[in-house]
Amino acid sequence: QTVVTQEPSLTVSPGGTVTLTCASSTGVVTSGFYPNWFQQKPGQTPRSLIFSTSNKQSWTPARVSGSLLGGKAALTLSGVQPEDEADYYCLLLSGGLWVFGGGTKLTVL
Amino acid sequence: QVQLVQSGLEVKKPGASVKVSCKTSGYTFTSFGVSWVRQAPGQGLEWLGWINANNGHTNFAQTFQGRVTMTTDSSTTTAYMELRSLTSDDTAVYYCVRDWAYDLDYWGQGTLVTVSS
Repeated sequence: QTVVTQEPSLTVSPGGTVTLTCASSTGVVTSGFYPNWFQQKPGQTPRSLIFSTSNKQSWTPARVSGSLLGGKAALTLSGVQPEDEADYYCLLLSGGLWVFGGGTKLTVL
Repeated sequence: QVQLVQSGLEVKKPGASVKVSCKTSGYTFTSFGVSWVRQAPGQGLEWLGWINANNGHTNFAQTFQGRVTMTTDSSTTTAYMELRSLTSDDTAVYYCVRDWAYDLDYWGQGTLVTVSS
């Protein structure tokens, strides 16, 4: 079964830029993995930010973007705000099944 | 607006089964699928499986094969997830999620399932 790996934690300063990544145990992540990214704040339901690598939901802030970077899926947050502090999860399609990464805890400090 | 409203808290004993419902509105039910995702206390997200609301076709994560059933009722635009042979490891919040064209956009509010003797 595919294992999806994310950074356990990252810290960024307000106004800064941070990139979260999502790797697959099967090898290079391509657009065919249809990467999705979700944000979850404490006590809240997860919220979709990005689907199919780089497509934004209507509610996704312009400063949030998705891409493929160095064989991984990537989520970049620019001009980070305090309210961006949250857990972020990636989701990859592998062998016709969805697999979540373990999540990245983003601290804004 | 799109809404997915789930059934309430469930408390079950080990070995029992649980069936969670997900009432949808605001979109054409049979034009989309529904994924089910769970989150154990303090843990990450885990995908259980997916059902095509048009034809009932399902895909399940290997971990849950043989232990989970997913169904839909188009007359009430409701999706259901049943998990059998519960253990304490199944204690989690279970979410239904609208899922189509590789986009999991709208989530239900979650249903806490507690398994305890």
